[in-house]
Amino acid sequence: QLQLQESGPGLVKPSETLSLTCSVSGGSISSSSYYWGWIRQTPGKGLEWIGTIYYSGSTNYNPSLKSRVTISVDTSKNQFSLKLSSVTAADTAVYCCARSLRYPNYYMDVWGKGTTVTVSS
Amino acid sequence: QTVVTQEPSFSVSPGGTVTLTCGLSSGSVSTSYYPSWFHQTPGQAPRTLIYSTNTRSSGVPDRFSGSILGNKAALTITGAQADDESDYYCVLYMGSGTWVFGGGTKLTVL
Repeated sequence: QLQLQESGPGLVKPSETLSLTCSVSGGSISSSSYYWGWIRQTPGKGLEWIGTIYYSGSTNYNPSLKSRVTISVDTSKNQFSLKLSSVTAADTAVYCCARSLRYPNYYMDVWGKGTTVTVSS
Repeated sequence: QTVVTQEPSFSVSPGGTVTLTCGLSSGSVSTSYYPSWFHQTPGQAPRTLIYSTNTRSSGVPDRFSGSILGNKAALTITGAQADDESDYYCVLYMGSGTWVFGGGTKLTVL
């Protein structure tokens, strides 16, 4: 059974870069059937799709975050990562990784439990 | 900016039927958006209930069903149970590997 596990610092200082990793177990990240992505949930804005990556490395980002987001994949470690630069308190959220199916059904079928990241000095 | 709209809250009596909707700030939701629905309980990973408009995920009870009603996607819960009380979210596929979430509906069963 596929499982996703987020890891990374729970506290990031303002203006610094948030870095999280999602480790995939029980399946290969190198599948043509899936995107791998990040979502966050904040009290104020609800759920927000951040972006996805294909195992080849091609990415898609939320336009509102695109200038600050980088998602990368490491197929040798079966994991993918999120970097969000120049963070502010508004980036405080629960960050969750998820697997998304590609054609013919486009939806998120496996989720991690999420990790809380607080932006504070 | 695409905005996906959902009712902020809804209440249903045990055993009752409730329909939650998912719309677009401009335009209509169709099957081409591959609407999916999931719920999330505190401390747990989100769980997808319905995908591609009306397909139930494995293990999801058949009291959950999805459809297109008018210009919106809809999630109907028939015979609501106490443990259906949760936050329900819709997600729309916007093409090219991108998605947009709705704001979620807090469902109360009482």
